[in-house]
Amino acid sequence: AQSVSQHNHHVILSEAASLELGCNYSYGGTVNLFWYVQYPGQHLQLLLKYFSGDPLVKGIKGFEAEFIKSKFSFNLRKPSVQWSDTAEYFCAVNERWAGSARQLTFGSGTQLTVLP
Amino acid sequence: KAGVTQTPRYLIKTRGQQVTLSCSPISGHRSVSWYQQTPGQGLQFLFEYFSETQRNKGNFPGRFSGRQFSNSRSEMNVSTLELGDSALYLCASRMLQVLDTGELFFGEGSRLTVL
Repeated sequence: AQSVSQHNHHVILSEAASLELGCNYSYGGTVNLFWYVQYPGQHLQLLLKYFSGDPLVKGIKGFEAEFIKSKFSFNLRKPSVQWSDTAEYFCAVNERWAGSARQLTFGSGTQLTVLP
Repeated sequence: KAGVTQTPRYLIKTRGQQVTLSCSPISGHRSVSWYQQTPGQGLQFLFEYFSETQRNKGNFPGRFSGRQFSNSRSEMNVSTLELGDSALYLCASRMLQVLDTGELFFGEGSRLTVL
């Protein structure tokens, strides 16, 4: 069965620090990759997604992620975090299949706390 | 365009009771998925419904069930509640059509506390 690993459970940074959150998945076939964010008291919303093409994808609020197929990784980055980035971040993966896509599998999440 | 709507937002039950949660997907989305979110476990997939049929199922006991109506609205039911069922239950919808990437659109969740 496919699995998604997020190695950092809780990351604490000061404002203006750089961020990198790790995400690795186990499936060897063609995949779609996503990062979702959950701000306190809000619903999960999409940060960015990768389907094909340029492995470096840019999302909302200055976030970007790089797909490295050989490492089965899709790490999330931001050069300078802000206090408002405090949230829980989830990596998710699904398999492409017959012109569509299977169910999303989520990682266990990384809680990011940004200190002002 | 209205988002995914879940009701109720909060509820408290006692062990042994049952609960029903409701979800209205985004207009035009015919697939509804349910996830259980608990601290440290992330999102665990419960099931997905499409055209009133269960399309996929996660690894949860039979006490967890769901259904979908002809207007794509969905309900999930948990019977004989246990303390460990305390969680945020998330509903998500997707279009599920050719070239669909599987991107999910989430509701705010129903927070269930079992005492």
